[in-house]
Amino acid sequence: DAKTTQPTSMDCAEGRAANLPCNHSTISGNEYVYWYRQIHSQGPQYIIHGLKNNETNEMASLIITEDRKSSTLILPHATLRDTAVYYCIVRVYGNKLVFGAGTILRVKS
Amino acid sequence: KAGVTQTPRYLIKTRGQQVTLSCSPISGHRSVSWYQQTPGQGLQFLFEYFSETQRNKGNFPGRFSGRQFSNSRSEMNVSTLELGDSALYLCASSAGQGLYGYTFGSGTRLTVV
Repeated sequence: DAKTTQPTSMDCAEGRAANLPCNHSTISGNEYVYWYRQIHSQGPQYIIHGLKNNETNEMASLIITEDRKSSTLILPHATLRDTAVYYCIVRVYGNKLVFGAGTILRVKS
Repeated sequence: KAGVTQTPRYLIKTRGQQVTLSCSPISGHRSVSWYQQTPGQGLQFLFEYFSETQRNKGNFPGRFSGRQFSNSRSEMNVSTLELGDSALYLCASSAGQGLYGYTFGSGTRLTVV
């Protein structure tokens, strides 16, 4: 399984952009990068995914480096409700999501 | 539309008992996956079902089993419960291969005493 590395925790000021990095140096050419987040006591929530192009949706933007060895999730205007654990996942064969420890994002007012 | 529904939300069982958890996926979704979340191990994949067939299985003992019905609803069963089985059990559904993301339920909190 392709492994991802994320910082343990990050702080962000409310209203500012939150940039969450992820390293996935062993990613294969056909593996997607997925981001989920989990707010306390809830199930993980899908945010965004991408293969090699940058992606944007109503929640966030995903920037993938040209060599695909790392990516950054951007929450453009973080709010207190964005405080959560953010998981960067590389899709593996067999539709199995392999979750790492994730990054605890704390948005502060 | 309705999300993924898991029942019950909370459950307390005694060691040695068995338990059955239920998951109703989003209407039209045919893939259902189960995950176990504990403070020590994090989120771990249990198994995935698609059209009533188990398509993938994680590294859990045989005490953990599941099934999927023709209406895509799924159940998971844990027999001979151990204290270490105390966890949040999460179910996720997707339309097919999960390419566009999985939708998770709120989970069932199982406590084994």
